[in-house]
Amino acid sequence: AQSVTQPDIHITVSEGASLELRCNYSYGATPYLFWYVQSPGQGLQLLLKYFSGDTLVQGIKGFEAEFKRSQSSFNLRKPSVHWSDAAEYFCAVGADTDKLIFGTGTRLQVFP
Amino acid sequence: DAGITQSPRHKVTETGTPVTLRCHQTENHRYMYWYRQDPGHGLRLIHYSYGVKDTDKGEVSDGYSVSRSKTEDFLLTLESATSSQTSVYFCAISDEDGNIQYFGAGTRLSVL
Repeated sequence: AQSVTQPDIHITVSEGASLELRCNYSYGATPYLFWYVQSPGQGLQLLLKYFSGDTLVQGIKGFEAEFKRSQSSFNLRKPSVHWSDAAEYFCAVGADTDKLIFGTGTRLQVFP
Repeated sequence: DAGITQSPRHKVTETGTPVTLRCHQTENHRYMYWYRQDPGHGLRLIHYSYGVKDTDKGEVSDGYSVSRSKTEDFLLTLESATSSQTSVYFCAISDEDGNIQYFGAGTRLSVL
């Protein structure tokens, strides 16, 4: 069965530090992979997506993610975190072309 | 929120009462989805729709029904609300390819 694991429930970083959020998936074929961000009281906003091609994908707000097939991973990175990046981040895998399976989320806290 | 309106945004109801949540889109997208979000579970798919009068069950469909009589509206009904259905409900839409989902702002439902 398809699944997504985000092993870190909560991460705290200092403003200006680098960030990496982990995502591992289980899927039988080449997956569609997504990262979404949710600010408190808001809906989910798409940060970036991977469908095929270059395994390093760029997204909005300075985020990037790298697809590593050998590790079944799609980790999200940002070189320098801003206080406004504090939010909850969800990794998702496209089970079919029309359904998504979400991880349980990683809450990011940013200290000044 | 990509032309998606969820109503109501907040609702408090009593156990055993029927509840209907509405999702309205202005994008003319084919696919529509209902998710619930609970701490420690991420987002879980309740029901989805491929088009008018064409719906299917998701991962957590028990106790929920849906209807889609028009392209722009997707209704989620709790026939007899239970406390376990206290959650935040999100509607999402995606285009003809069904690859990228866009989310509404959510409805916070409390069943007392």
